[in-house]
Amino acid sequence: GQNIDQPTEMTATEGAIVQINCTYQTSGFNGLFWYQQHAGEAPTFLSYNVLDGLEEKGRFSSFLSRSKGYSYLLLKELQMKDSASYLCAVYYGGATNKLIFGTGTLLAVQP
Amino acid sequence: DGGITQSPKYLFRKEGQNVTLSCEQNLNHDAMYWYRQDPGQGLRLIYYSQIVNDFQKGDIAEGYSVSREKKESFPLTVTSAQKNPTAFYLCASSIQLGQAEAFFGQGTRLTVV
Repeated sequence: GQNIDQPTEMTATEGAIVQINCTYQTSGFNGLFWYQQHAGEAPTFLSYNVLDGLEEKGRFSSFLSRSKGYSYLLLKELQMKDSASYLCAVYYGGATNKLIFGTGTLLAVQP
Repeated sequence: DGGITQSPKYLFRKEGQNVTLSCEQNLNHDAMYWYRQDPGQGLRLIYYSQIVNDFQKGDIAEGYSVSREKKESFPLTVTSAQKNPTAFYLCASSIQLGQAEAFFGQGTRLTVV
């Protein structure tokens, strides 16, 4: 299998910075996605990394290292509304065109 | 507005009955996906389809069936062979994931009673 792992839960304080890690034991994928999901709702797209390095989008940044087999999502200036699950997903393109998700991390932002 | 629609939002089924979950998109996307999500867990791929009249099994296809007779529609049938059907089911579509992200429906919460 793809063995895409994330911490189950994390807690952080409003205004702080938090890093959510995603490790995987797979190769040959096209890129890695991060999604945000509030309870009972649909996941929404946050970022997509194809090349190694950091992609910054406002308060959210995502990093990928293919050689080390991990990615992380960095959330800055945390707000209460950032309390949600964060899902990383590996995309296999070409004839496969398949998106495989990790276990998800439930982030709780406290005042 | 363009989007992806799942219905119903909540569904109850008696044990031993088949039930079909609807997924419709008007985004002109070729690829469509069905995922299952259990409490506190990530999404697991059930079936996916890259084009009309074609679909492939995902990681947990046993006890499920799909059809893709139209580009816009990708219904999922949960059969009586699925031993633990109670879950949150999410449908998604994409134009081409290497170029753009997948869009998700609002989900259907299926409960077996």
